[in-house]
Amino acid sequence: KNQVEQSPQSLIILEGKNCTLQCNYTVSPFSNLRWYKQDTGRGPVSLTIMTFSENTKSNGRYTATLDADTKQSSLHITASQLSDSASYICVVSEWGSQGNLIFGKGTKLSVKP
Amino acid sequence: NAGVTQTPKFRVLKTGQSMTLLCAQDMNHEYMYWYRQDPGMGLRLIHYSVGEGTTAKGEVPDGYNVSRLKKQNFLLGLESAAPSQTSVYFCASSWTRQFGGDTQYFGPGTRLTVL
Repeated sequence: KNQVEQSPQSLIILEGKNCTLQCNYTVSPFSNLRWYKQDTGRGPVSLTIMTFSENTKSNGRYTATLDADTKQSSLHITASQLSDSASYICVVSEWGSQGNLIFGKGTKLSVKP
Repeated sequence: NAGVTQTPKFRVLKTGQSMTLLCAQDMNHEYMYWYRQDPGMGLRLIHYSVGEGTTAKGEVPDGYNVSRLKKQNFLLGLESAAPSQTSVYFCASSWTRQFGGDTQYFGPGTRLTVL
């Protein structure tokens, strides 16, 4: 069964610190992997999207990595800010005409001053 | 551009009542989607549409109906609301869905409570 597992479920860090969120998936055939940021009470917003041939992609202080062999991805946040407090959702897309998206449950990040 | 908008933002229903959620997008996207998001669970696809006049079932379609009479609008209907349908509903749109497709743009959500 296609699944996307994220860890940790929640994380608290101090402002200015770095952190890394993990995503493991079993989706096959694989098309791409996306990271979304979802602020409380808002819809998800895309941060990065990577195909199987891409190892890393950055968006400002956010850097996503992908290891298609081990089916693992990580999202690294550098010099965290209070505005980074949100849920981060890993989404994996199946290759094919349906292009099904499999959503992880998300990691809830809290950045404290 | 407003992007994806949803109406209403909040709604409280009694069991058995009906309602329609409206989603509108101004990006000329072909594909539109309705998701529900429940605590401790990932987003789950209810129904989607690949173009004007088309609809298809997603992962959790039971108890919901949809219509796409205009390209820019996607309606989600609950004919007889049940407490199990208490959730936050998100609409999204994209250029395509095939073969990895394109980024989905989400609306702000509708928080529905069924008593």
